[in-house]
Amino acid sequence: EPEVTQTPSHQVTQMGQEVILRCVPISNHLYFYWYRQILGQKVEFLVSFYNNEISEKSEIFDDQFSVERPDGSNFTLKIRSTKLEDSAMYFCASSPPAGVSYNEQFFGPGTRLTVL
Amino acid sequence: AQSVAQPEDQVNVAEGNPLTVKCTYSVSGNPYLFWYVQYPNRGLQFLLKYITGDNLVKGSYGFEAEFNKSQTSFHLKKPSALVSDSALYFCAVRDGSSGGYNKLIFGAGTRLAVHP
Repeated sequence: EPEVTQTPSHQVTQMGQEVILRCVPISNHLYFYWYRQILGQKVEFLVSFYNNEISEKSEIFDDQFSVERPDGSNFTLKIRSTKLEDSAMYFCASSPPAGVSYNEQFFGPGTRLTVL
Repeated sequence: AQSVAQPEDQVNVAEGNPLTVKCTYSVSGNPYLFWYVQYPNRGLQFLLKYITGDNLVKGSYGFEAEFNKSQTSFHLKKPSALVSDSALYFCAVRDGSSGGYNKLIFGAGTRLAVHP
Protein backbone atom coordinates (compact mmCIF):
# COMPACT_ATOMS: atom_id res chain seq x y z
CA GLU A 1 0.00 0.00 0.00
CA PRO A 2 1.45 3.42 -0.89
CA GLU A 3 2.72 5.53 1.99
CA VAL A 4 3.96 9.02 2.65
CA THR A 5 7.65 8.89 3.52
CA GLN A 6 9.75 11.46 5.35
CA THR A 7 13.48 11.96 5.79
CA PRO A 8 15.33 12.20 8.04
CA SER A 9 13.53 10.55 10.93
CA HIS A 10 15.48 12.69 13.39
CA GLN A 11 17.35 15.94 12.76
CA VAL A 12 19.49 17.68 15.35
CA THR A 13 20.65 21.21 14.58
CA GLN A 14 22.12 24.25 16.23
CA MET A 15 20.00 27.33 16.80
CA GLY A 16 20.25 29.69 13.82
CA GLN A 17 21.01 26.94 11.30
CA GLU A 18 18.86 26.17 8.27
CA VAL A 19 17.13 22.81 8.01
CA ILE A 20 15.26 21.14 5.19
CA LEU A 21 12.76 18.43 5.97
CA ARG A 22 11.86 16.16 3.11
CA CYS A 23 8.71 14.33 2.23
CA VAL A 24 7.64 12.08 -0.62
CA PRO A 25 3.83 12.19 -0.84
CA ILE A 26 1.78 9.40 -2.35
CA SER A 27 2.29 9.55 -6.09
CA ASN A 28 -1.17 10.46 -7.41
CA HIS A 29 -2.00 12.91 -4.63
CA LEU A 30 -2.42 16.58 -5.42
CA TYR A 31 -2.77 18.26 -2.03
CA PHE A 32 0.14 18.49 0.37
CA TYR A 33 0.44 19.65 3.97
CA TRP A 34 2.86 20.19 6.80
CA TYR A 35 1.82 19.91 10.44
CA ARG A 36 3.86 19.97 13.60
CA GLN A 37 3.46 18.55 17.08
CA ILE A 38 5.43 20.03 19.93
CA LEU A 39 6.12 17.35 22.53
CA GLY A 40 3.00 16.67 24.59
CA GLN A 41 0.83 19.08 22.63
CA LYS A 42 -1.74 18.86 19.86
CA VAL A 43 -1.00 18.54 16.18
CA GLU A 44 -0.98 21.99 14.55
CA PHE A 45 -1.47 22.92 10.91
CA LEU A 46 1.39 24.81 9.26
CA VAL A 47 0.70 25.03 5.55
CA SER A 48 -1.20 23.50 2.65
CA PHE A 49 0.06 23.38 -0.92
CA TYR A 50 -1.81 22.80 -4.16
CA ASN A 51 -1.04 23.39 -7.79
CA ASN A 52 2.49 24.54 -6.95
CA GLU A 53 1.48 27.26 -4.59
CA ILE A 54 0.56 27.76 -0.96
CA SER A 55 -3.19 27.44 -0.43
CA GLU A 56 -3.27 28.38 3.21
CA LYS A 57 -0.82 28.96 6.01
CA SER A 58 -1.12 29.37 9.75
CA GLU A 59 0.27 32.10 11.97
CA ILE A 60 3.12 29.76 12.87
CA PHE A 61 4.27 29.69 9.24
CA ASP A 62 6.16 32.98 9.24
CA ASP A 63 8.93 34.26 6.95
CA GLN A 64 11.36 31.74 8.41
CA PHE A 65 9.41 28.90 6.81
CA SER A 66 9.08 27.99 3.16
CA VAL A 67 7.82 25.01 1.18
CA GLU A 68 8.75 23.75 -2.21
CA ARG A 69 7.95 20.95 -4.60
CA PRO A 70 11.23 20.89 -6.48
CA ASP A 71 10.33 17.97 -8.71
CA GLY A 72 7.44 15.62 -9.33
CA SER A 73 7.90 13.63 -6.17
CA ASN A 74 9.44 15.60 -3.28
CA PHE A 75 7.80 18.16 -1.02
CA THR A 76 10.12 20.05 1.32
CA LEU A 77 9.80 22.29 4.36
CA LYS A 78 12.67 24.71 4.97
CA ILE A 79 13.28 26.55 8.19
CA ARG A 80 15.77 29.32 7.45
CA SER A 81 17.09 30.10 10.92
CA THR A 82 15.95 27.62 13.53
CA LYS A 83 14.89 28.64 17.01
CA LEU A 84 14.67 26.53 20.14
CA GLU A 85 10.88 26.64 19.93
CA ASP A 86 10.98 25.01 16.49
CA SER A 87 11.82 21.72 18.22
CA ALA A 88 8.90 19.45 17.38
CA MET A 89 7.76 16.49 15.35
CA TYR A 90 6.97 17.61 11.81
CA PHE A 91 4.43 15.62 9.84
CA CYS A 92 3.92 15.72 6.11
CA ALA A 93 0.53 14.69 4.71
CA SER A 94 -1.04 14.34 1.32
CA SER A 95 -4.54 13.76 -0.01
CA PRO A 96 -5.89 12.50 -3.33
CA PRO A 97 -7.97 14.43 -5.85
CA ALA A 98 -10.88 12.04 -5.96
CA GLY A 99 -12.13 8.56 -5.15
CA VAL A 100 -12.93 6.67 -1.99
CA SER A 101 -10.15 8.32 -0.02
CA TYR A 102 -11.03 11.85 -1.06
CA ASN A 103 -10.95 14.15 1.98
CA GLU A 104 -8.58 11.88 3.88
CA GLN A 105 -5.12 13.09 4.66
CA PHE A 106 -2.43 10.44 4.74
CA PHE A 107 0.34 11.20 7.18
CA GLY A 108 4.00 10.32 7.06
CA PRO A 109 5.88 8.96 10.08
CA GLY A 110 7.26 12.38 10.96
CA THR A 111 10.66 14.02 11.39
CA ARG A 112 11.70 14.83 14.92
CA LEU A 113 13.56 18.16 14.86
CA THR A 114 15.70 19.01 17.86
CA VAL A 115 17.16 22.52 18.02
CA LEU A 116 20.02 22.96 20.49
CA ALA B 1 -13.52 29.54 13.96
CA GLN B 2 -13.12 25.81 13.78
CA SER B 3 -12.26 23.87 16.92
CA VAL B 4 -12.26 20.40 18.38
CA ALA B 5 -12.58 19.48 22.03
CA GLN B 6 -11.55 16.19 23.55
CA PRO B 7 -12.63 16.65 27.16
CA GLU B 8 -10.69 13.71 28.60
CA ASP B 9 -6.90 13.67 28.77
CA GLN B 10 -6.96 9.97 29.55
CA VAL B 11 -9.46 7.13 29.43
CA ASN B 12 -8.84 3.94 31.38
CA VAL B 13 -10.65 0.75 30.39
CA ALA B 14 -10.35 -2.89 31.33
CA GLU B 15 -9.67 -5.29 28.49
CA GLY B 16 -12.89 -6.70 27.09
CA ASN B 17 -14.99 -3.74 28.21
CA PRO B 18 -16.51 -1.23 25.81
CA LEU B 19 -14.66 2.03 25.33
CA THR B 20 -15.71 5.55 24.37
CA VAL B 21 -13.42 8.45 23.55
CA LYS B 22 -15.32 11.72 23.36
CA CYS B 23 -15.07 14.48 20.78
CA THR B 24 -17.09 17.61 20.14
CA TYR B 25 -16.50 20.06 17.33
CA SER B 26 -17.30 23.51 16.05
CA VAL B 27 -17.18 24.40 12.36
CA SER B 28 -18.96 27.01 10.29
CA GLY B 29 -19.76 24.84 7.28
CA ASN B 30 -20.28 21.13 6.78
CA PRO B 31 -18.21 19.13 9.25
CA TYR B 32 -15.90 16.50 7.89
CA LEU B 33 -14.77 14.50 10.92
CA PHE B 34 -11.86 12.14 11.41
CA TRP B 35 -10.25 9.96 14.03
CA TYR B 36 -6.52 9.24 13.98
CA VAL B 37 -4.45 7.06 16.30
CA GLN B 38 -0.82 7.61 17.26
CA TYR B 39 1.34 4.89 18.75
CA PRO B 40 4.57 5.85 20.58
CA ASN B 41 7.19 7.33 18.25
CA ARG B 42 4.97 6.76 15.26
CA GLY B 43 2.98 8.91 12.85
CA LEU B 44 -0.75 9.42 12.68
CA GLN B 45 -2.78 6.49 11.42
CA PHE B 46 -6.22 7.07 9.96
CA LEU B 47 -9.03 5.19 11.73
CA LEU B 48 -12.28 6.44 10.24
CA LYS B 49 -14.13 9.43 8.86
CA TYR B 50 -17.57 10.94 8.56
CA ILE B 51 -18.28 12.96 5.43
CA THR B 52 -21.96 12.39 4.74
CA GLY B 53 -24.59 9.66 4.92
CA ASP B 54 -25.07 7.16 7.73
CA ASN B 55 -24.33 8.71 11.12
CA LEU B 56 -22.61 5.53 12.33
CA VAL B 57 -19.31 4.97 10.60
CA LYS B 58 -17.12 1.92 10.96
CA GLY B 59 -13.37 2.00 10.67
CA SER B 60 -10.19 0.08 11.21
CA TYR B 61 -9.49 -2.36 14.06
CA GLY B 62 -13.16 -2.65 15.08
CA PHE B 63 -13.59 1.04 15.91
CA GLU B 64 -16.72 2.98 15.07
CA ALA B 65 -17.95 6.51 15.64
CA GLU B 66 -21.32 8.17 15.71
CA PHE B 67 -21.94 11.59 14.23
CA ASN B 68 -24.49 13.56 16.21
CA LYS B 69 -25.30 16.86 14.54
CA SER B 70 -27.50 18.25 17.31
CA GLN B 71 -24.84 17.61 19.95
CA THR B 72 -21.97 18.43 17.56
CA SER B 73 -20.26 15.27 18.69
CA PHE B 74 -18.31 12.46 17.06
CA HIS B 75 -17.45 9.99 19.81
CA LEU B 76 -15.19 7.04 19.07
CA LYS B 77 -16.33 3.66 20.32
CA LYS B 78 -15.33 0.02 20.41
CA PRO B 79 -17.45 -2.79 21.87
CA SER B 80 -14.55 -4.73 23.38
CA ALA B 81 -11.20 -3.07 24.14
CA LEU B 82 -7.83 -4.76 23.62
CA VAL B 83 -4.58 -3.98 25.41
CA SER B 84 -3.11 -3.25 21.98
CA ASP B 85 -5.61 -0.39 21.56
CA SER B 86 -3.62 1.60 24.12
CA ALA B 87 -2.45 4.70 22.26
CA LEU B 88 -3.10 8.41 21.75
CA TYR B 89 -6.30 9.20 19.86
CA PHE B 90 -6.92 12.42 17.98
CA CYS B 91 -10.22 13.74 16.70
CA ALA B 92 -10.00 16.19 13.79
CA VAL B 93 -12.41 18.32 11.80
CA ARG B 94 -12.31 20.24 8.60
CA ASP B 95 -14.79 22.52 6.94
CA GLY B 96 -16.15 20.56 3.99
CA SER B 97 -17.83 23.54 2.42
CA SER B 98 -14.90 24.57 0.30
CA GLY B 99 -11.76 23.24 -1.27
CA GLY B 100 -10.05 19.89 -1.27
CA TYR B 101 -7.09 21.33 0.57
CA ASN B 102 -8.65 22.56 3.77
CA LYS B 103 -6.59 22.07 6.87
CA LEU B 104 -7.43 19.62 9.60
CA ILE B 105 -8.01 21.05 13.06
CA PHE B 106 -7.01 18.55 15.73
CA GLY B 107 -8.16 18.07 19.27
CA ALA B 108 -5.62 17.85 22.07
CA GLY B 109 -5.72 14.07 22.05
CA THR B 110 -6.94 11.46 24.51
CA ARG B 111 -4.65 8.80 25.86
CA LEU B 112 -6.39 5.44 25.99
CA ALA B 113 -5.02 2.95 28.49
CA VAL B 114 -6.47 -0.57 28.33
CA HIS B 115 -5.56 -2.70 31.34
CA PRO B 116 -5.41 -6.50 31.25
